[in-house]
Amino acid sequence: DQQVKQNSPSLSVQEGRISILNCDYTNSMFDYFLWYKKYPAEGPTFLISISSIKDKNEDGRFTVFLNKSAKHLSLHIVPSQPGDSAVYFCAASITCNQFYFGTGTSLTVIP
Amino acid sequence: DAGVIQSPRHEVTEMGQEVTLRCKPISGHDYLFWYRQTMMRGLELLIYFNNNVPIDDSGMPEDRFSAKMPNASFSTLKIQPSEPRDSAVYFCASSLGRVGGTGELFFGEGSRLTVL
Repeated sequence: DQQVKQNSPSLSVQEGRISILNCDYTNSMFDYFLWYKKYPAEGPTFLISISSIKDKNEDGRFTVFLNKSAKHLSLHIVPSQPGDSAVYFCAASITCNQFYFGTGTSLTVIP
Repeated sequence: DAGVIQSPRHEVTEMGQEVTLRCKPISGHDYLFWYRQTMMRGLELLIYFNNNVPIDDSGMPEDRFSAKMPNASFSTLKIQPSEPRDSAVYFCASSLGRVGGTGELFFGEGSRLTVL
């Protein structure tokens, strides 16, 4: 049973606009969340993380928001660039190394 | 600096054959993970090691799957006998310390397995 869900398999956004990728989780014990980015034929690479003690973490064009009461997190990319086109995975952990990943959202940024 | 190295990158085999996937983690990393990526389930954790010791193998789907880490610089994931439903991309990842405290997982480029 998927404990981390990314319900949108794909998303298309115009260059320069905001991309919002969503992730829902079921286990209220998760206390650490990450986003990974994956290009074709490459392994996923770490993008940004957030601890459950925060509700927002920002790194340049990337911001992750955490809503613990809703068990929801989102990744905002502003402004979106064509090079951001990739598959984005959301992951969650319970203070250990067993990370649960979602199924991924394929983002296409249209020039 | 070399990242996580996996081999082979691609493997095509026939049902019933043995498959061995290999991984060299980043030097100095003490955690090693094997993941499987499928369209339906995304990235699934199969097993992970800490200091070469298997910690949790509850994600290993069946007895046909086995993993070993004989030393800090090498791990294998073996499937015997292989079945068409094992077709997927298998990723190895490593980290230094607990990911939540020190950083993130570093993934290899993956091994794409096709079982005919």
